[in-house]
Amino acid sequence: QSALTQPRSVSGSPAETVTISCTGTSDDVGGYNYVSWYQQYSGKAPKLLIYDVTKRPSGVPARFSASKSGNTASLTISGLQAEDEADYFCCSFAGSYTLFGGGTKVTVL
Amino acid sequence: QVQLQESGPGLVKPSQTLSLNCLVSGDSINNPNVRYWGWIRQPAGKGLEWVGRVYTNGGTIYSPSLKSRLTMSLDTSTNQVSLKLKSLIAPDTGIYYCAANFGNSYDAFHVWGPGTVVTVSS
Repeated sequence: QSALTQPRSVSGSPAETVTISCTGTSDDVGGYNYVSWYQQYSGKAPKLLIYDVTKRPSGVPARFSASKSGNTASLTISGLQAEDEADYFCCSFAGSYTLFGGGTKVTVL
Repeated sequence: QVQLQESGPGLVKPSQTLSLNCLVSGDSINNPNVRYWGWIRQPAGKGLEWVGRVYTNGGTIYSPSLKSRLTMSLDTSTNQVSLKLKSLIAPDTGIYYCAANFGNSYDAFHVWGPGTVVTVSS
């Protein structure tokens, strides 16, 4: 079982839009609508941002959105804010077990 | 609001067995709204690795790479989720997180504990 593939880093200026990709296979991302995304600040536990590909838990700002096409899921941050600078991890159900992506560091310029 | 708190020995010698506990407060570990309790680990400066999950009925699913060394269980008397990992090696070093999946999603981690640091070293 291989980790899902994410870009190591993305960056953007405040108010810009950034998108993080998460590429898997038909055995995980492409095969199930159970992709989730997590935000992690340095030294802190991850926090759920998105579940079931597109759903936001209550309290997560609407500027975070997500989608999936084929074997690739995407997280979009619209109107980037300084507080969005963090690591982001995708996660997918893979039949019986769960896979995480390698993580993407978002830098706000 | 469910809260999770991991606890463990901190430092463990190679070849020994790691025992971690996750204390659940604010609700019962048999809460019917919880689908499963999971463990995730993170080596220092690296990404997240799924370790396994234990369902509220006691059933378990483990990472294929850890399956031969791993045991997870529920202790309803203390409201704790436990993890035991035997035959420790240096790559088992990292932060271990306990997390909960609530039934509105088949597979996601809605609530996380702060994590506990495990170092495997002689």
